[in-house]
Amino acid sequence: DIVVTQTPLSLSVTPGQPASISCKSSQSLLHSDGKTYLFWYLQKPGQPPQLLIYEASNRFSGVPDRFYGSGSGTDFTLKISRVEAEDVGVYYCMHSKQLPLTFGGGTKVEIK
Amino acid sequence: QVQLQQSGPGLVKPSQTLSLTCAISGDSVSSNSGFWNWIRQSPSRGLEWLGRTYYRSKWYNDYAESVKSRITINADTSKNQFSLQLNSVTPEDTAVYYCARRSRLGIDLWGRGTLVTVSS
Repeated sequence: DIVVTQTPLSLSVTPGQPASISCKSSQSLLHSDGKTYLFWYLQKPGQPPQLLIYEASNRFSGVPDRFYGSGSGTDFTLKISRVEAEDVGVYYCMHSKQLPLTFGGGTKVEIK
Repeated sequence: QVQLQQSGPGLVKPSQTLSLTCAISGDSVSSNSGFWNWIRQSPSRGLEWLGRTYYRSKWYNDYAESVKSRITINADTSKNQFSLQLNSVTPEDTAVYYCARRSRLGIDLWGRGTLVTVSS
């Protein structure tokens, strides 16, 4: 199985300041079809995860452009350019290059 | 608007079978592009993919090794839904269970989740 590891475990951010979350995989997530199967989700309290970024760097429909995904191979980053109060929750990365799909352990983002 | 509506009991006794259903609106369980998944979340295991069903001229299933001997995922085209059965449950199976759709963009749609507690 591909292991996906996120850091840090938690972040406390002042509104308007940037935030960055790292995700590393135990194997390259570059598929033979040329796509990189790394995804970012935000889970707000009491809700299911919601898709933010697909294929490492593509914002899902309706996701604000302050969310930016980057990276390749085994190293990926989610950046929030200016954190807003509505961005609080737990962020997860997930791969789907092969089965089983696996998730990172999550990064909890709170507002100072 | 595509939605997934989950149903099923929130309490299951140890050694019994956990059964959940996910009704689909706005999409088809037998579409040639969708994968229909069950994922669970617990404090001890985090988010854990359990398995999926999908239709590509015939039905296919894939299951996580951790539950492979106990899990069945079925599709019901007449009701446009899919279901999860997990046999011989123990307290370690206590979790929030989600149904979810994987499209070409990834897992982009989730049900609201069902907290299932395994307890006598």
